Amino acid sequence: DTAVSQTPKYLVTQMGNDKSIKCEQNLGHDTMYWYKQDSKKFLKIMFSYNNKELIINETVPNRFSPKSPDKAHLNLHINSLELGDSAVYFCASSRLAGVKNTEAFFGQGTRLTVV
Amino acid sequence: KNEVEQSPQNLTAQEGEFITINCSYSVGISALHWLQQHPGGGIVSLFMLSSGKKKHGRLIATINIQEKHSSLHITASHPRDSAVYICAVKGSQGNLIFGKGTKLSVKP
Repeated sequence: DTAVSQTPKYLVTQMGNDKSIKCEQNLGHDTMYWYKQDSKKFLKIMFSYNNKELIINETVPNRFSPKSPDKAHLNLHINSLELGDSAVYFCASSRLAGVKNTEAFFGQGTRLTVV
Repeated sequence: KNEVEQSPQNLTAQEGEFITINCSYSVGISALHWLQQHPGGGIVSLFMLSSGKKKHGRLIATINIQEKHSSLHITASHPRDSAVYICAVKGSQGNLIFGKGTKLSVKP
């Protein structure tokens, strides 16, 4: 059983489209994250949810909207896709934010290519 | 300047060599992670440290909280160790703040 699963693994779409990336964790973790890895392979936090509540919202265009229907799921919806959105997006989860020693588990990543 | 700095950025080694990757950070942390990303792209957590030293097989990670520095060592390196190694520190809200990674290539 995959601990953190993302779908799809690859996503190729045209500029202007709206797309979603889904993430699910079966670890019973309270906190989930979306990270973006740019073309230089640098990872950066986008959003963090704890028990379905948004706790981190970095400087991300409001075309990106996370949605957490329950604490096991954190989906990422992107409107009006732009070429610059092309990147690899990683979902991750951990136990309650603020707990000192919490292992992080990552999904396999979604490679988004906007053409 | 990035809050987490790694060195070197790129490292090429011969099979069998002892490898060290360094990480320095400038923020207060509750834990530091070493992650591995293979060419296929998946990210795996190798270690999570808040003090001292940990060892898994040929991998050793150390951290010096006072100096805000951590090292990842690989003994008897092997081509299958070729990957990007990423240092990340845990921010106050639980998110990870990443270094830019060290690309390791081990030649047979």
